[in-house]
Amino acid sequence: QKEVEQNSGPLSVPEGAIASLNCTYSDRGSQSFFWYRQYSGKSPELIMSIYSNGDKEDGRFTAQLNKASQYVSLLIRDSQPSDSATYLCAVGRISYNKLIFGAGTRLAVHP
Amino acid sequence: DGGITQSPKYLFRKEGQNVTLSCEQNLNHDAMYWYRQDPGQGLRLIYYSQIVNDFQKGDIAEGYSVSREKKESFPLTVTSAQKNPTAFYLCARSAPRDGRGNEQFFGPGTRLTVL
Repeated sequence: QKEVEQNSGPLSVPEGAIASLNCTYSDRGSQSFFWYRQYSGKSPELIMSIYSNGDKEDGRFTAQLNKASQYVSLLIRDSQPSDSATYLCAVGRISYNKLIFGAGTRLAVHP
Repeated sequence: DGGITQSPKYLFRKEGQNVTLSCEQNLNHDAMYWYRQDPGQGLRLIYYSQIVNDFQKGDIAEGYSVSREKKESFPLTVTSAQKNPTAFYLCARSAPRDGRGNEQFFGPGTRLTVL
């Protein structure tokens, strides 16, 4: 079992729809959870951080964390073609100062 | 660039050569990291350093070496012992610890190709 698992995709959604990206992790002691967006040929860019159970909203992005189920998700509302990218989930323990990355989910938003 | 620079952007190496990738940060952060990314795969940790003159091996350190002589610099050397070095190399810095940190911010990356 991988430490951080994501569906590789591609996840294809029409413009204006909600894109839902999911991530599961194996370390129950994980405390910090991140979503990165990576455009083709570029480096990852941090878009969301979440530390507590529940939802965290930032513009069109909502991160959802459920520690009991070891599950974190990212919702993108009103998806735009510019959201087409690979989304990486990263999980860590603050005391370790290291992150474990999933392989990423490729999102394709079509007009 | 998230306060972190990498050079060169593209690097070509002949088999049997060592090459050094540069990583510099200007935000006075302690922790720095090197990752490798292969096509269609996630990031794999090569080395990381939390303070000057100290560093730890990550998951795939074989064939690589690092130094941390200055806080702002964390160069990575890809040695001839690394059997399959062609990849995208990413350097990252971590935000200072405040009890909720360990977010990492990446430089633009170096794409290494072995000829």
